[in-house]
Amino acid sequence: DIVMTQSPLSLPVTPGEPASISCRSSQSLLNRNGYNYLDWYLQKPGQSPLLLIYLGSRRASGVPDRFSGSGSGTDFTLKISRVEAEDFGVYYCMQALQVPLTFGGGTKVEIK
Amino acid sequence: EVQLVESGGGLVQPGGSLRLSCAASGFTFSTSWMSWVRQAPGKGLEWVANIKQDGSEKYYVDSVKGRFTISRDNAKNSLYLQMNSLRAEDTAVFYCAKLGYSGFDLVNWGRGTMVTVSS
Repeated sequence: DIVMTQSPLSLPVTPGEPASISCRSSQSLLNRNGYNYLDWYLQKPGQSPLLLIYLGSRRASGVPDRFSGSGSGTDFTLKISRVEAEDFGVYYCMQALQVPLTFGGGTKVEIK
Repeated sequence: EVQLVESGGGLVQPGGSLRLSCAASGFTFSTSWMSWVRQAPGKGLEWVANIKQDGSEKYYVDSVKGRFTISRDNAKNSLYLQMNSLRAEDTAVFYCAKLGYSGFDLVNWGRGTMVTVSS
């Protein structure tokens, strides 16, 4: 199974400031087709998770452009250019390359 | 608008069974892979199972193999999870999700149904 590791565990951020979350996989998520099968999800308190980024860097429908994903192989980053109040919650990375699908442990982005 | 509504959760004793349902609407259910994902209280997300459009392929996390069965009824736009031999560690909110984009991306999620396994 592919193990996903996120850092940091907790990220205090001042609204309006940028934020960055790291995700590392135990195996390369780069497929032969040239795409990295890495997703990012946000779970706000009391809500279901929401897909933000797929294929490492593509924003899902309706996701603001302040969210960006980058990286390749085993190292990935989610960046928020300017954190807004609605962005606070727990962020998860997930590898979508193979079953079993596996998630990182989560990064809680909270108000500083 | 895609809607996924789970039902069937509740309190069950260890060793018992429960069947979860997910009613889908707002998209062509029969053309979509579907998934169950769970979240134990205060914990992270754990993928449970996937099922192909026609039900011909099913995949499970090791911890539920032989105990849980994912199925679907495309005529009823419904997804199911039959859970047998339930354990305390199965206590979680269970989410139904529609897969899409590149393949196994969990594009749309339901609100979840709580399963509590306790005596």
